[in-house]
Amino acid sequence: AQSVTQLGSHVSVSEGALVLLRCNYSSSVPPYLFWYVQYPNQGLQLLLKYTSAATLVKGINGFEAEFKKSETSFHLTKPSAHMSDAAEYFCAVSGGTASKLTFGTGTRLQVTL
Amino acid sequence: EAEVAQSPRYKITEKSQAVAFWCDPISGHATLYWYRQILGQGPELLVQFQDESVVDDSQLPKDRFSAERLKGVDSTLKIQPAELGDSAMYLCASSLTRGSDTQYFGPGTRLTVL
Repeated sequence: AQSVTQLGSHVSVSEGALVLLRCNYSSSVPPYLFWYVQYPNQGLQLLLKYTSAATLVKGINGFEAEFKKSETSFHLTKPSAHMSDAAEYFCAVSGGTASKLTFGTGTRLQVTL
Repeated sequence: EAEVAQSPRYKITEKSQAVAFWCDPISGHATLYWYRQILGQGPELLVQFQDESVVDDSQLPKDRFSAERLKGVDSTLKIQPAELGDSAMYLCASSLTRGSDTQYFGPGTRLTVL
């Protein structure tokens, strides 16, 4: 079984500041890990994924995440926040290919001027 | 770029009525998923299809929900009768094959039950 915990339901940063969204996972098998972004009343867009290759994963829009097995973490970062980054971010885990995704409860990112 | 299509985008219904949602996955994608997302929560899987066969429907409330993918292409999710607690976003996703790790999501159907 897999589960995901996202620490912080709301995160607020200033434009240009570092973005750090936290995700810890639990999995009984080697996990595949994902970050998705959701804008209001829209579906989910894949930001990046970890599937047992490089532990530092680069995604779209300047986001990246690092898989740390010892800490069971997969935190999402971006060096400089932009107003357009304001959205809901979901971390998800699966047990492998074509397996269902188990999502966290999401973190709403607010970007202020 | 190919996308997952869903309709309608919004649906308002009264409790005890029947509702249906439609999903057209990316062409060639064999695996199709229906998720339910309650406001303020992450999506939860309702049902997974591999071609026209159900692979996982363990979280589908089968007394009122049904899903089909008759020709292994598009899919319909039905609720009958709808209850107030069914108000949520219903998301469809697809992936290329059983060996694919990436799910692509449609825009969702926002259901409001009055």
